[in-house]
Amino acid sequence: DTAVSQTPKYLVTQMGNDKSIKCEQNLGHDTMYWYKQDSKKFLKIMFSYNNKELIINETVPNRFSPKSPDKAHLNLHINSLELGDSAVYFCASSPLVGRQGAYEQYFGPGTRLTVT
Amino acid sequence: QQQVKQSPQSLIVQKGGISIINCAYENTAFDYFPWYQQFPGKGPALLIAIRPDVSEKKEGRFTISFNKSAKQFSLHIMDSQPGDSATYFCAASISNTGKLIFGQGTTLQVKP
Repeated sequence: DTAVSQTPKYLVTQMGNDKSIKCEQNLGHDTMYWYKQDSKKFLKIMFSYNNKELIINETVPNRFSPKSPDKAHLNLHINSLELGDSAVYFCASSPLVGRQGAYEQYFGPGTRLTVT
Repeated sequence: QQQVKQSPQSLIVQKGGISIINCAYENTAFDYFPWYQQFPGKGPALLIAIRPDVSEKKEGRFTISFNKSAKQFSLHIMDSQPGDSATYFCAASISNTGKLIFGQGTTLQVKP
């Protein structure tokens, strides 16, 4: 009965590799997000999708590419990984942005990415 | 202008005491102010939220106080318990964008 799930939970990889993180939500929400939490615990939004359409794209290197095959899934693909990409990545979802009550965002458990 | 400033960075409170965390913002277009609680190894979870048309909202031991003119809001945890030990984040959003701007976080330790 997990609401927002992410895989994998831990990801250790070398610089230059390409990796993906998967996210799925079973809340019936229309909007999904990716956040990055750095070593100082600072949380920053990266992307947001509304019904598979990109609506927020912060100043994120284009090595990061989100993909939403359907409204229940939002995956994050990272090319040419760098040391600075090491962080915890959180997926979140909410009801459709703009609708009443569309404020509450539900976060997944996070994926800890370590680039060596 | 998109920043939310949170203080203190860390807080130690005795069991039964009151924990107070403060946040300030600049953008007057923000219209939704949630607080999130994060335990180690977990994702943030919504704790309580307020809209700027009210000055206070209480849910159990948790209260948000909101001062629109000062552009400040705070979280009060009454009768703090060791189980409240976590990192707390304030945030602000323009609600029709879905974009949450988080404060820097406060690590709360409640001593037994």
